Amino acid sequence: IAGITQAPTSQILAAGRRMTLRCTQDMRHNAMYWYRQDLGLGLRLIHYSNTAGTTGKGEVPDGYSVSRANTDDFPLTLASAVPSQTSVYFCASSDGGSSSYNEQFFGPGTRLTVL
Amino acid sequence: GQNIDQPTEMTATEGAIVQINCTYQTSGFNGLFWYQQHAGEAPTFLSYNVLDGLEEKGRFSSFLSRSKGYSYLLLKELQMKDSASYLCAGLDSNYQLIWGAGTKLIIKP
Repeated sequence: IAGITQAPTSQILAAGRRMTLRCTQDMRHNAMYWYRQDLGLGLRLIHYSNTAGTTGKGEVPDGYSVSRANTDDFPLTLASAVPSQTSVYFCASSDGGSSSYNEQFFGPGTRLTVL
Repeated sequence: GQNIDQPTEMTATEGAIVQINCTYQTSGFNGLFWYQQHAGEAPTFLSYNVLDGLEEKGRFSSFLSRSKGYSYLLLKELQMKDSASYLCAGLDSNYQLIWGAGTKLIIKP
């Protein structure tokens, strides 16, 4: 693994189903982020984690949950998917966490369609 | 509130120069980022400015004026591969990135 990986690459999901998007980084970065990207709206932060064991809510957290059991993994769970969660989801990581220069490195994205 | 404004779309000619503007309003300010995003791909880092002035990096330069809440990305000697979206993002007082919607740059031969 080099950088950040996400799985699955794409997924079609029935409304009401539970879904976990996976994200793994091998750069030993402290901070990790989940964004969704919708046409015309730019990237919006869903949840973030400044270090393993801690998480925080971003701009659009409703309907999503995260966990950060270790440095490398940061899964995003949709407990009961709805069509408005159709989007492209990007995981990102950065060194330094909450108090320094914060260049973020992005995974390749997961394209999720909820029907 | 926090806001990042940039044009939705721009068109330029191969070999020419283009300037993409960005104005920002953030709660506190810890720097301004520019990212490039090709269609269907992830954003990749281009530049970071925290002090006023111009930062040059090859064909790409980025400028910041903190007093005006303004930045621009300057692309010189445009190539077809520069066709992409360019995302402006401000780092607020909590060190969270506030993203603009992106500027789609179309390069014509």
